[in-house]
Amino acid sequence: DTGVSQDPRHKITKRGQNVTFRCDPISEHNRLYWYRQTLGQGPEFLTYFQNEAQLEKSRLLSDRFSAERPKGSFSTLEIQRTEQGDSAMYLCASNPTQGAVGEQYFGPGTRLTVT
Amino acid sequence: SQKIEQNSEALNIQEGKTATLTCNYTNYSPAYLQWYRQDPGRGPVFLLLIRENEKEKRKERLKVTFDTTLKQSLFHITASQPADSATYLCGYSGYSTLTFGKGTMLLVSP
Repeated sequence: DTGVSQDPRHKITKRGQNVTFRCDPISEHNRLYWYRQTLGQGPEFLTYFQNEAQLEKSRLLSDRFSAERPKGSFSTLEIQRTEQGDSAMYLCASNPTQGAVGEQYFGPGTRLTVT
Repeated sequence: SQKIEQNSEALNIQEGKTATLTCNYTNYSPAYLQWYRQDPGRGPVFLLLIRENEKEKRKERLKVTFDTTLKQSLFHITASQPADSATYLCGYSGYSTLTFGKGTMLLVSP
């Protein structure tokens, strides 16, 4: 299977703990996106990378969130000092676009529950 | 700022009918409008993309239109089947990001 993969699929953590999620995009895709989705809402953009460069971050992304894509391949999203409001599905997507943002390929998501 | 709106109420139709979902945006015409399908607990799956200078796109039983005067995209599923039941997301994109609406749930009953 050469689709986008995410790990873990589910994570339960206690408030105040740090969590890290991993995304492996489709290998030839140079763009990688992170989204957050809560129940009844569409995916909300968090940040994106063009190769290893993080080009844009949402204003909604607090300082507790950080993302990396060190070699332009896989990416990690870390949330420090988790809060109950961080409970959501975290989605990763990739695409090969150089120009306008076209079709995106999504992973299965990581569901985070903060207790 | 640009907003994108989809009907939040679920759409219930009978098998065999055409489902029509609406997506409205508020300001400038985006470069692309895109439609995705999302099943519960899964990531969205791309269906169709339409460019600002295109009026209509088709793929099998799917059709999407882009009306820049009405600031609206319509998504049609003809000969709908119960397997088409899902949430359908509309999103607009430019040169960096894709912004989604809340999605509309479609329920197709046999």
